[in-house]
Amino acid sequence: EIVLTQSPGTLSLSPGERATLSCRASQSVSSSYLAWYQQKPGQAPRLLIYGASSRATGIPDRFSGSGSGTDFTLTISRLEPQDFAVYYCQQYGSSRPTFGQGTKVEIK
Amino acid sequence: EVQLVQSGAEVKKPGATVKISCKISGYTFTDYYMHWVQQAPGKGLGWMGLVDPEDGETIYAENLQGRVTITADTSTDTAYMELSSLRSEDTAVYYCATGILSTSPYYFDYWGQGTLVTVSS
Repeated sequence: EIVLTQSPGTLSLSPGERATLSCRASQSVSSSYLAWYQQKPGQAPRLLIYGASSRATGIPDRFSGSGSGTDFTLTISRLEPQDFAVYYCQQYGSSRPTFGQGTKVEIK
Repeated sequence: EVQLVQSGAEVKKPGATVKISCKISGYTFTDYYMHWVQQAPGKGLGWMGLVDPEDGETIYAENLQGRVTITADTSTDTAYMELSSLRSEDTAVYYCATGILSTSPYYFDYWGQGTLVTVSS
């Protein structure tokens, strides 16, 4: 099983600032099969990024993903008030996908 | 419009079994895998397993093998997740999820609303 470790656990930032979230895999993620989700309290997760760097339908371009192999990054270029949430990475390079433990982006 | 509508909240005693449903609409049920994801209160997401509605084939997370059963009823376009031998640690919100626009069947662009299962004596 591929274990994903996200850092930091919590990111305290102000609106307008840049957020950089990390996701590290215990082994190489094949073909960059890495997705990112956003989850707000009481809601189901929402897909943001797939294939490490492709934005899902309707996702604003302030969200971007990068990385390959074992190191991946989600960047939010300028935080909007609605971006404060928990973010999860997920690898889907195997038939048993796994999630990271999440990074909470909170208002400073 | 694609919709995944789950059954309502459940309260179960330790040792019992719970079965949750996920009824889809807006797409062809047999064209896409259905997955189930667990989220304990205040915790992260855990993939539980999947079913291929076309042939009923399943894959389960290793830590749940033997306790979880995922099925698909193509006559009603409904997927089910059954979890047995419940314990307090199984208290969680359970989501069904699928990938309709996805380039792979293993990530999810559509989710159910979630079903809270509370295990308490």
